Amino acid sequence: DTVLTQSPALAVSPGERVTISCRASESVSTLMHWYQQKPGQQPKLLIYLASHLESGVPARFSGSGSGTDFTLTIDPVEADDTATYYCQQSWNDPTFGGGTKLELK
Amino acid sequence: EIQLQESGPGLVKPSQSLSLTCSVTGYTITSGYDWSWIRKFPGNKMEWMGYISNSGSTNYNPSLKIRISITRDTSKNQFFLQLNSVTTEDTATYYCARLTWGWFAYWGQGTLVTVSS
Repeated sequence: DTVLTQSPALAVSPGERVTISCRASESVSTLMHWYQQKPGQQPKLLIYLASHLESGVPARFSGSGSGTDFTLTIDPVEADDTATYYCQQSWNDPTFGGGTKLELK
Repeated sequence: EIQLQESGPGLVKPSQSLSLTCSVTGYTITSGYDWSWIRKFPGNKMEWMGYISNSGSTNYNPSLKIRISITRDTSKNQFFLQLNSVTTEDTATYYCARLTWGWFAYWGQGTLVTVSS
């Protein structure tokens, strides 16, 4: 299995820029995807193939990276962005990171 | 608009089987893509369980391979999850989702299944 490692939590102020990282245990090329999940809701796709913005997702969200290191950036952060963010790879059978809980100060 | 909806018992006894249904509207499951089950454990860990393809072939997470079965009813545009010999560690929120070339673009709302006697 490809293990994906994320920092467990971040706290930022509205209007700031935040980067959420995901590190893979082996290279996954650009086969990395990002989701946002709010309490009581299903995950929502934000970014696919490392850097492609899903239709309808605000341009404040962007993704970058390749190989083993990936980043989801939110700039600027808004209050509504409070959520848990997951990365997921599709280089082999899908696996997810442990999630990063984003809180606003 | 593509929608997925999970249904099934919210409580299952240990050693019994967990059975869930995913009803799909807005897209025919035989037209394309792979149709997956994913679960999220208390504490946020997420696990892909397996999928059934549009042609009916299946692919399972090796950690579940001896306990899991995913089938479908094309006449009802539904697919199903059966997980055998459940334990309390199978307590989770279960989601069905469409796997689109590697990512999950469409998800059901999820259903909480608790394994308890």
